[in-house]
Amino acid sequence: DVKVTQSSRYLVKRTGEKVFLECVQDMDHENMFWYRQDPGLGLRLIYFSYDVKMKEKGDIPEGYSVSREKKERFSLILESASTNQTSMYLCASRLPTGAQETQYFGPGTRLLVL
Amino acid sequence: AQTVTQSQPEMSVQEAETVTLSCTYDTSESDYYLFWYKQPPSRQMILVIRQEAYKQQNATENRFSVNFQKAAKSFSLKISDSQLGDAAMYFCAYRSSYNNNDMRFGAGTRLTVKP
Repeated sequence: DVKVTQSSRYLVKRTGEKVFLECVQDMDHENMFWYRQDPGLGLRLIYFSYDVKMKEKGDIPEGYSVSREKKERFSLILESASTNQTSMYLCASRLPTGAQETQYFGPGTRLLVL
Repeated sequence: AQTVTQSQPEMSVQEAETVTLSCTYDTSESDYYLFWYKQPPSRQMILVIRQEAYKQQNATENRFSVNFQKAAKSFSLKISDSQLGDAAMYFCAYRSSYNNNDMRFGAGTRLTVKP
C-alpha cells in the first residue's frame, strides 16, 4: 500500500511565524504535490515537484515556498504565516507516467494561524 | 483553464438506497481523465473511480458507477446500496492528458447516510 504521511494533523501558529509542513511518501514516486483545501473551493494546487530539487508553481503559490531535497520528502514552507493561510493542507504523490495514474493523498494538516 | 463544478454542496441518502452525485466540467480538450475521490471524516482522501474520456463505456467499481456524458461534459457518480461507511466528502476531479500535473477539483459534495 502506498503511504503518504504528513508530520502534523493539527498545527496552531502565530502570525509572522515561519511554518514547515512535512510530507513523506514511501512508494518512490517522482511527483509530489501540495494542495490547500478550503470549504466551497475544493482543492487548489500550491506547488508541485517532479524530481529532487525541481518544483513548479501551482495556482496559488503566493506566500508559500517548497523544498525537495530527497525524493521521498516534500516540504511546504510558510515564510511568514498570515491568518488567511488558515486552512487544511494536503500532500499527494503519484507516478509521472501518465494522466491515468492515481494520486495518493496524505491525511492532511489542519493549520490555524492566530 | 478547465473548471469542475459540483452543484450539490450536500446530499443525504437512506442506508441501502441509491444516490447520485453530480459533476460537470468545462474543457476544450478531447483527451483527459475524470476521477471521483472520497474523503471520509478525519481520514485520507482515496480514489473511488476513474474514467478515461476516450472510453464510451461507463466505469464501475462494485457499488460505485459513473454516468459519463462526454458531449454534455457531465460525470455523475452513482452509489448503490448506500452504507454508513459511504458518508464522506466526495470530490470530482479532471486531469488533462496534455498537462497531467494539472488536476482540477470541484468544490465537493458532503454525503450523509441515514440509518
